[in-house]
Amino acid sequence: GQQLNQSPQSMFIQEGEDVSMNCTSSSIFNTWLWYKQDPGEGPVLLIALYKAGELTSNGRLTAQFGITRKDSFLNISASIPSDVGIYFCAGLSPGGTSYGKLTFGQGTILTVHP
Amino acid sequence: KAGVTQTPRYLIKTRGQQVTLSCSPISGHRSVSWYQQTPGQGLQFLFEYFSETQRNKGNFPGRFSGRQFSNSRSEMNVSTLELGDSALYLCASSRPEARETQYFGPGTRLLVL
Repeated sequence: GQQLNQSPQSMFIQEGEDVSMNCTSSSIFNTWLWYKQDPGEGPVLLIALYKAGELTSNGRLTAQFGITRKDSFLNISASIPSDVGIYFCAGLSPGGTSYGKLTFGQGTILTVHP
Repeated sequence: KAGVTQTPRYLIKTRGQQVTLSCSPISGHRSVSWYQQTPGQGLQFLFEYFSETQRNKGNFPGRFSGRQFSNSRSEMNVSTLELGDSALYLCASSRPEARETQYFGPGTRLLVL
């Protein structure tokens, strides 16, 4: 089945630093989504990417949909303590019987030291 | 606009019992998907419902089932619970014209003893 490889698995950074994480897949996706999950809560949608090559920002967050449609990255600039959490990438397959099903990466655990 | 709501938030059951979880989507969202999240397997897709019909299904045994009502609310049921069914069960809803953009509820934490 499809798999998403998300890296790094965890990051320990100082407040104010920039963060970068990425996801790669052996299969192509039509849509890439980035979510953040706090302990005991459901994932919150941060950014959605719909076209290959698309670069989208949401405040201090920037994400890009890779040209090959097999990868995506998320950057967080000037990190703050509330950025702490687990970040997930998710991809939506092109179509057919799997359409509507999201495949998730393993997550990146982000810790920000004040 | 209210977000996705799930009830109950926490549940403790014993092996062999069955459980029913409920999900109310965002108003206007008609697609509801269910996911299981565990530390070992991560987030895995269970099934998706639209207009009271299951449109998509993941690789879970038949003990996992679901349904959707005419008001788009959805329930999932797990019968003959096993220890390995302990997980956070997440529901996500999306608009019909944008099924790829899914918004998650807070989840139901199920513990099977």
